[in-house]
Amino acid sequence: ETGVTQSPTHLIKTRGQQVTLRCSSQSGHNTVSWYQQALGQGPQFIFQYYREEENGRGNFPPRFSGLQFPNYSSELNVNALELDDSALYLCASTKEQASYGYTFGSGTRLTVV
Amino acid sequence: QQQVKQSPQSLIVQKGGISIINCAYENTAFDYFPWYQQFPGKGPALLIAIRPDVSEKKEGRFTISFNKSAKQFSLHIMDSQPGDSATYFCAASISGSRLTFGEGTQLTVNP
Repeated sequence: ETGVTQSPTHLIKTRGQQVTLRCSSQSGHNTVSWYQQALGQGPQFIFQYYREEENGRGNFPPRFSGLQFPNYSSELNVNALELDDSALYLCASTKEQASYGYTFGSGTRLTVV
Repeated sequence: QQQVKQSPQSLIVQKGGISIINCAYENTAFDYFPWYQQFPGKGPALLIAIRPDVSEKKEGRFTISFNKSAKQFSLHIMDSQPGDSATYFCAASISGSRLTFGEGTQLTVNP
């Protein structure tokens, strides 16, 4: 059983650019959540996808968007990057949308310069 | 809005000692309270979790104490080991939905 895998592991982008981060959910999991973890802080919920539909969103602007594919993998897209977007982006998957067993990936470290 | 407050920010304990991390929450609708452990370069890993219908849960050296009336819960790590050195996050959720995390506690266990 594979866990949650994220790519890339590290990324450097310039302010104003766009970025796409990818996540493969754990086998058997159909729900994916994305979190932003700034340095020295706890993860902040961005949004969640269940069976390809967004079914929950945190306090993030519309330039943060996502997709979930039929195989339950997911993408996080961020447009018009700002310096404050520099953070570790974590993907977590679970079996059902109201489940208690979230498995986190190791994250993508995004640096915006 | 910070709905889960965690303290202390950092903690240094001697090997064999007890590590205690505290969290307080505001939203009484929370019904699931997990603790996560995060090592550098890794994502958070679930350590132990509790529901509000019990006051304590123990798994090995890790214990959660829960006080519903005070809206507080804490993690106790008995016989702390250097391998326990990591960042610990408390969290809360409603019916298994989005997790609201505390700000984290960096634990260092000296040999």
